[in-house]
Amino acid sequence: GQNIDQPTEMTATEGAIVQINCTYQTSGFNGLFWYQQHAGEAPTFLSYNVLDGLEEKGRFSSFLSRSKGYSYLLLKELQMKDSASYLCAVKDSNYQLIWGAGTKLIIKP
Amino acid sequence: GAVVSQHPSRVICKSGTSVKIECRSLDFQATTMFWYRQFPKQSLMLMATSNEGSKATYEQGVEKDKFLINHASLTLSTLTVTSAHPEDSSFYICSARRTSEIEQYFGPGTRLTVT
Repeated sequence: GQNIDQPTEMTATEGAIVQINCTYQTSGFNGLFWYQQHAGEAPTFLSYNVLDGLEEKGRFSSFLSRSKGYSYLLLKELQMKDSASYLCAVKDSNYQLIWGAGTKLIIKP
Repeated sequence: GAVVSQHPSRVICKSGTSVKIECRSLDFQATTMFWYRQFPKQSLMLMATSNEGSKATYEQGVEKDKFLINHASLTLSTLTVTSAHPEDSSFYICSARRTSEIEQYFGPGTRLTVT
């Protein structure tokens, strides 16, 4: 079967750095996405990785290792508005998005 | 940009009635649109994929006759929940994708409550 694992919940302090991990087992791989979703709202796109390595975009970075079936999202200089759920999704061999359950990130002052 | 709208944003209906949700790509043509359902504290679950001008492809376990999807134009897809029941209460989200693009653009979602 296809599976994507992320921690259910994480807590971090304003101004700090947090890393959210995602491991996946899917039938084929055509890219990995990270989305941010605030409560009661639709997801918004954060990043896309298809090759191994680190993609940096402002305060957010995403890393991929295809051989390990592993990715992480790194958030720096955390702000209170970063409190949200972070969804990892993998596009499989049929180009279908397989979604993780999301990681709820709680930022404390 | 790539903006997707949904209407209505919230709807409350009585059990047994039907509800139509619209998904529009406002500034681009979407050859493919996706319908998702999300229950509280759970991840997105893909219900169906629709391509303009053809029948939708439903995911396993999703009833085609209950969740009617129409993608009549390159900017509009509709989801009709027929004979709604309280267990259909959920957050319904659509997304749209341009031809040859990877990213999906999500609508703001529709919260359906069936009483």
